[in-house]
Amino acid sequence: NAGVTQTPKFQVLKTGQSMTLQCAQDMNHNSMYWYRQDPGMGLRLIYYSASEGTTDKGEVPNGYNVSRLNKREFSLRLESAAPSQTSVYFCASSLQDITDTQYFGPGTRLTVL
Amino acid sequence: QKEVEQNSGPLSVPEGAIASLNCTYSDRGSQSFFWYRQYSGKSPELIMSIYSNGDKEDGRFTAQLNKASQYVSLLIRDSQPSDSATYLCALTRSGYSTLTFGKGTMLLVSP
Repeated sequence: NAGVTQTPKFQVLKTGQSMTLQCAQDMNHNSMYWYRQDPGMGLRLIYYSASEGTTDKGEVPNGYNVSRLNKREFSLRLESAAPSQTSVYFCASSLQDITDTQYFGPGTRLTVL
Repeated sequence: QKEVEQNSGPLSVPEGAIASLNCTYSDRGSQSFFWYRQYSGKSPELIMSIYSNGDKEDGRFTAQLNKASQYVSLLIRDSQPSDSATYLCALTRSGYSTLTFGKGTMLLVSP
């Protein structure tokens, strides 16, 4: 039981490049989330998916797109990376309700030059 | 006032002491409150949740909630160096379907 997995762990991009961050969970959870964490800013929600087939914007969605590929997988895409998107990205999942425990993946450290 | 406020710290306590971490919030409609622990370079993990006014104890951890005063606290008794981490307060807000996180308080426990 791997929990929540994320790939890659580290990535360096040049401004304007695109990439997709992958996330998968094996806990049969319905809800999945993408956060970014910056020094002094805490965790900020980018997008979330309350169930397979649905996605919604969070606090900081600009510059990102997401896909809930199936119940297990939730990907985050940067179409044209900017230095402001340098951050640590965490994927999380929870069983269903907002009050259910969120389980976080190990994170992806992204640097945009 | 920000939705969730935490002192960034660091809060330094000696080993064996009680560490007290505080979180204030602005939305009176908030119903559910959570404390996540995050070690440096790692991902957050849930350590406590509290939904009703009063205290909730789990081992060395006690969460305290006072909805009238709009604060939630986490007490760590007999603090250990292994408790050194950043503690994130999170809560639900009325009209929102996701959690809102504070910026976290760094705790340093010295041997």
